[in-house]
Amino acid sequence: GAGVSQSPSNKVTEKGKDVELRCDPISGHTALYWYRQRLGQGLEFLIYFQGNSAPDKSGLPSDRFSAERTGESVSTLTIQRTQQEDSAVYLCASSSDSYTQYFGPGTRLTVL
Amino acid sequence: QKEVEQDPGPLSVPEGAIVSLNCTYSNSAFQYFMWYRQYSRKGPELLMYTYSSGNKEDGRFTAQVDKSSKYISLFIRDSQPSDSATYLCAMTYRDDKIIFGKGTRLHILP
Repeated sequence: GAGVSQSPSNKVTEKGKDVELRCDPISGHTALYWYRQRLGQGLEFLIYFQGNSAPDKSGLPSDRFSAERTGESVSTLTIQRTQQEDSAVYLCASSSDSYTQYFGPGTRLTVL
Repeated sequence: QKEVEQDPGPLSVPEGAIVSLNCTYSNSAFQYFMWYRQYSRKGPELLMYTYSSGNKEDGRFTAQVDKSSKYISLFIRDSQPSDSATYLCAMTYRDDKIIFGKGTRLHILP
């Protein structure tokens, strides 16, 4: 079956604009995660969904960041009023248990 | 003290050598330990996972967990240039959040 997919693969935007990133998890995976990875850095946890509820939003860097998930399917990560420090690769992962996560290819966001 | 520490490297070894990658951690409650491999401009892919202490082998890869020392290792035998990537350790103690190391960049020299 298909793996985790993310769109767009690349996004260039101007400072101050809003962006929406999409993640399609593996079918049947109840858990979904968003991470941010800055150039040459490790993974920074943003938010976790179990079904369509988000028990852990502790990683969202500011109130400009929000995410939602429809059922156990697609999730969108929205960044409002983008800043240059938001430039990074945004990775989505899904899981059917608590310890094996399958990652998508990421969305490379560049804020000019 | 950070929850998970991992030397960022880079680590360069000649082809065919045995590679040892390591992480230390501070939280004794961690139960599941994972290793991910990430190629440039790709998402991480799960290589191996281990529950609690002990060894696990999969082909050229061996994962080792020493909970008494709070230390985990990944060994790669007969290393190949295609093993060149960033290796991230990860661990979890509850069913909602995985803590990742920052990754070690590995270069296998032909």
